[in-house]
Amino acid sequence: NAGVTQTPKFRVLKTGQSMTLLCAQDMNHEYMYWYRQDPGMGLRLIHYSVGEGTTAKGEVPDGYNVSRLKKQNFLLGLESAAPSQTSVYFCASSYYTGVETEAFFGQGTRLTVV
Amino acid sequence: GDSVTQMEGPVTLSEEAFLTINCTYTATGYPSLFWYVQYPGEGLQLLLKATKADDKGSNKGFEATYRKETTSFHLEKGSVQVSDSAVYFCALYTGTASKLTFGTGTRLQVTL
Repeated sequence: NAGVTQTPKFRVLKTGQSMTLLCAQDMNHEYMYWYRQDPGMGLRLIHYSVGEGTTAKGEVPDGYNVSRLKKQNFLLGLESAAPSQTSVYFCASSYYTGVETEAFFGQGTRLTVV
Repeated sequence: GDSVTQMEGPVTLSEEAFLTINCTYTATGYPSLFWYVQYPGEGLQLLLKATKADDKGSNKGFEATYRKETTSFHLEKGSVQVSDSAVYFCALYTGTASKLTFGTGTRLQVTL
């Protein structure tokens, strides 16, 4: 049972470089999310998806793009990294039955932009 | 929009002390409520949840009751252990928004 897998786990970027974070889930969940976690800020939603081929902006979408070409994968892209994007990034997937819901999280990606 | 407010941390307790972490929320619609726990260096894990008013979620000795009248979901444990040291997040989910909204987290440190 892999659950939610994020790659890479650690990365250091130089300002202006680009990268893509991959999130993969094997639970056939419709919903997927990207959050960033910063000290004292909790988890803030960057982008999310309610199904294959759909994406929506969250609370802090600027500087990020996402794609959900396959149901099991949700990619987060940084086109031109900035030091303000230094953070820990968490991916999550969830189901919603109309009554019940639960989200499952990956182990996180620690990104440092220098 | 939806929001969750948690008490500021860190909370430092001695082992076997009683724990309360306050959580209140604002939501459009009728949310489901959650407590997630994050141990050092790890992702978030679901601790407990409640889907309707007066429901009590419980797990590993932790409890929280969904109080619609006070829009609260306070986390309690009667006797904490050192192994409970972690960051605790209160969160809500509404079907209309299709997303989890988190509080800022409360760090708990339990000492011997």
